[in-house]
Parts: sequence; structure tokens; C-alpha cells
Amino acid sequence: SQTIHQWPATLVQPVGSPLSLECTVEGTSNPNLYWYRQAAGRGLQLLFYSVGIGQISSEVPQNLSASRPQDRQFILSSKKLLLSDSGFYLCAWSFGGLPTDTQYFGPGTRLTVL
Amino acid sequence: KQEVTQIPAALSVPEGENLVLNCSFTDSAIYNLQWFRQDPGKGLTSLLLIQSSQREQTSGRLNASLDKSSGRSTLYIAASQPGDSATYLCAVRSEKLVFGKGTKLTVNP
Repeated sequence: SQTIHQWPATLVQPVGSPLSLECTVEGTSNPNLYWYRQAAGRGLQLLFYSVGIGQISSEVPQNLSASRPQDRQFILSSKKLLLSDSGFYLCAWSFGGLPTDTQYFGPGTRLTVL
Repeated sequence: KQEVTQIPAALSVPEGENLVLNCSFTDSAIYNLQWFRQDPGKGLTSLLLIQSSQREQTSGRLNASLDKSSGRSTLYIAASQPGDSATYLCAVRSEKLVFGKGTKLTVNP
């Protein structure tokens, strides 16, 4: 069976510090991978998605970036965090093409920027 | 631009009650609609996925319907239990997956 891991589970960082969040998927090959952010009072917002190694699509302009160095690894990064980067970050994966690509979500990382 | 709205934002019911959660979307050109459950501080768990060609899906005490032409979906929960307390999210898939803000459900024993 497939499982998805995210770490760390929680993170408190000062403004201006760097960020690295990691997501890995087990039990599947060549998954589609996604990063979402859930901010207080707002719905989930798609940040990045990837259909393969080194292939990253960005949905919103921001100071975050994503990378996919391995097939089942997806990393979210920032060089300098902003207060507005606080939120709950969720990684998700899917396989297969449309229209049946159910997305499966990881446990999330709670990021607080002070 | 696809927008998804969920009403009500919060709902509190006594145990055993049947209830309906509503979801509406602005662009009917969708591939599918999915209902998720989110427990506090946790990730999302997929409950039901309805393809655009389908009208409903059922899983246990849950039944989801889809009226694509009117841009609406409902999630029906039968005989609610305290363990059903969570936030329920609706998401529609067109070019990408677009989420509503959710309905926070509390089932009181």
C-alpha cells in the first residue's frame, strides 16, 4: 500500500530564516506530487505540482520554491520566510490521469513564522 | 476562475441526526468532485469521489450527490455519531483541484 510522509510535523521559524519541508511517498512509482497551503480562514491553496523528476509547475507567485530531486521526494523551500508564510502545509500525491486521479494527502506540517 | 463555496461554515447537531452539507461551484466544466474529511491539525482523508458523469456515490453512512449543471453537490450523513465531528471539505477538479473552505461539523453525544 502507498503511504506519504511529511516532516517536520511542526516548525517555528523567525522571519527571514530559510525553510525546507520534505515530503516522500512510498509504495508507488512516478506519482504526481502537490504542495498545498492552508492558511487560517482560507481554503487549501495549490502552490506547486510535479508530474516527474525536475518538473515543477508553480501556481502562485511567492517567495517559495519546490524541487523534486527524486521520483518520490518533493521539497518545499524558501530562502527568507515572511510572516504571511505561516500556515499548514500539505503534500499530496496522485497516480493515473484525469478524470480519476484521487489525491491522497500527507499529515501536514504546521509552520509558524514569528 | 473556479470558486467553491460551502454552506454552512459550521454545524452542530445531536447524535443520531441525519444531516446535509452543501457545496456549490461556479464553473460546471469539471472532471470530478471530491469530499474530504479533515480532523484538527491533521491531513485530509478522501471520503467520496464523484465523476462528472455520475450523479451520486455512497460509502457506508455517507452519500454524495452531484448536479453538475446547477453547480451543486451535497454530502448526506446518516445517523451521525460523535466520531463524525471534523471539517468536511469539498473540492472540484477542473484544470486543478479547487477547494472550498469547509464545513466544521460537531456531533454532540
